[in-house]
Amino acid sequence: EAGVTQFPSHSVIEKGQTVTLRCDPISGHDNLYWYRRVMGKEIKFLLHFVKESKQDESGMPNNRFLAERTGGTYSTLKVQPAELEDSGVYFCASSKQGRDEQFFGPGTRLTVL
Amino acid sequence: AQSVTQLDSQVPVFEEAPVELRCNYSSSVSVYLFWYVQYPNQGLQLLLKYLSGSTLVKGINGFEAEFNKSQTSFHLRKPSVHISDTAEYFCAVSGLQETSGSRLTFGEGTQLTVNP
Repeated sequence: EAGVTQFPSHSVIEKGQTVTLRCDPISGHDNLYWYRRVMGKEIKFLLHFVKESKQDESGMPNNRFLAERTGGTYSTLKVQPAELEDSGVYFCASSKQGRDEQFFGPGTRLTVL
Repeated sequence: AQSVTQLDSQVPVFEEAPVELRCNYSSSVSVYLFWYVQYPNQGLQLLLKYLSGSTLVKGINGFEAEFNKSQTSFHLRKPSVHISDTAEYFCAVSGLQETSGSRLTFGEGTQLTVNP
């Protein structure tokens, strides 16, 4: 069974540009989470999808971040326009039921110059 | 709201020595508790979890943790570490109640380095 995959693994962009991160959850997992780790800090929750619906987006930092989950399968997280403070590692996780173990992807390292 | 404090950011130990990684949490509601490990260039992997029942929880790779409700702690231990245990370890909680959601609140991580 394939795990959670994320693309790209690394992205380096300039301030003001747009970047789209993609997450493919484990097949059959209805719950999909996005987290972010800014360097040296804790991993912080961004949002939670159940199928294609946003269950909880209270962790999204501002309206420059837009998350979607097409057809309840893969998810994208777009940052537009990117700012320096958006640099960090973005993790995606999925679970079958809401309180099951969350399986994490390897993360996307985003660097904004 | 919940918060997690991992008291040590770096823990260097020698191979075959015992290790304890400390975690304290704060929450206004009852919580589930987790330890995750991240090996280089990999995603987070669940080591163990406490949901209810026995306060001593055994996980993968010989790790165990003890839930102490009065001290709001969930320290991770291993009696004898290997070089391959070198990784970053994260303590996390999630609220028990439906209103808390299932999101995880993490500590800042502890880098365990096992030296020969």
